[in-house]
Amino acid sequence: ETGVTQTPRHLVMGMTNKKSLKCEQHLGHNAMYWYKQSAKKPLELMFVYSLEERVENNSVPSRFSPECPNSSHLFLHLHTLQPEDSALYLCASSQDVVQRTGAFFGQGTRLTVV
Amino acid sequence: AQKITQTQPGMFVQEKEAVTLDCTYDTSDQSYGLFWYKQPSSGEMIFLIYQGSYDEQNATEGRYSLNFQKARKSANLVISASQLGDSAMYFCAMSPYNQGGKLIFGQGTELSVKP
Repeated sequence: ETGVTQTPRHLVMGMTNKKSLKCEQHLGHNAMYWYKQSAKKPLELMFVYSLEERVENNSVPSRFSPECPNSSHLFLHLHTLQPEDSALYLCASSQDVVQRTGAFFGQGTRLTVV
Repeated sequence: AQKITQTQPGMFVQEKEAVTLDCTYDTSDQSYGLFWYKQPSSGEMIFLIYQGSYDEQNATEGRYSLNFQKARKSANLVISASQLGDSAMYFCAMSPYNQGGKLIFGQGTELSVKP
């Protein structure tokens, strides 16, 4: 039990579909993140939220839309994705954005775009 | 540019032996954190150990220790007394304190522990 839960664990979607990834943390953390992990590439930061405000958007295409309704929940809304968007999407949280204690990650959503 | 380099794509170690996973980093920031994460085949990233750039002593957490050499910009992970359950991908990461929580990851090292 890592304290960060992601749903669904696996998702297959067509390029015209709209879907959402959900992340939930019960650690009392103030910062939440979305990362993308593609095969043979380092993890890439997508978005950072601190106290429900987006503080970083790492040049992510607009077909990815994050939402943070409260400090415990983070969503990633997906629409008109491309096959190259197939990857493992990892959510993480940390006490604060200044990381001195390490981020806690969820188990990820394995996304396949067909 | 900030970058993490892990030069060992794969490593083998005999059970009960120690192993060192290499990590070098490149940054012009003075204040940053260095981290190691473990990723088993199930996918989750498990935080192992943290070293602050101003910490003079090497960090230790159980069987994990971080060999921090600031002048050489290296942050190698040492795992003592390897166990079969240590087989996984290991990622080195850096977080500059002034960059809003961003973790910069290396490409990872796949560690296989042999019985």
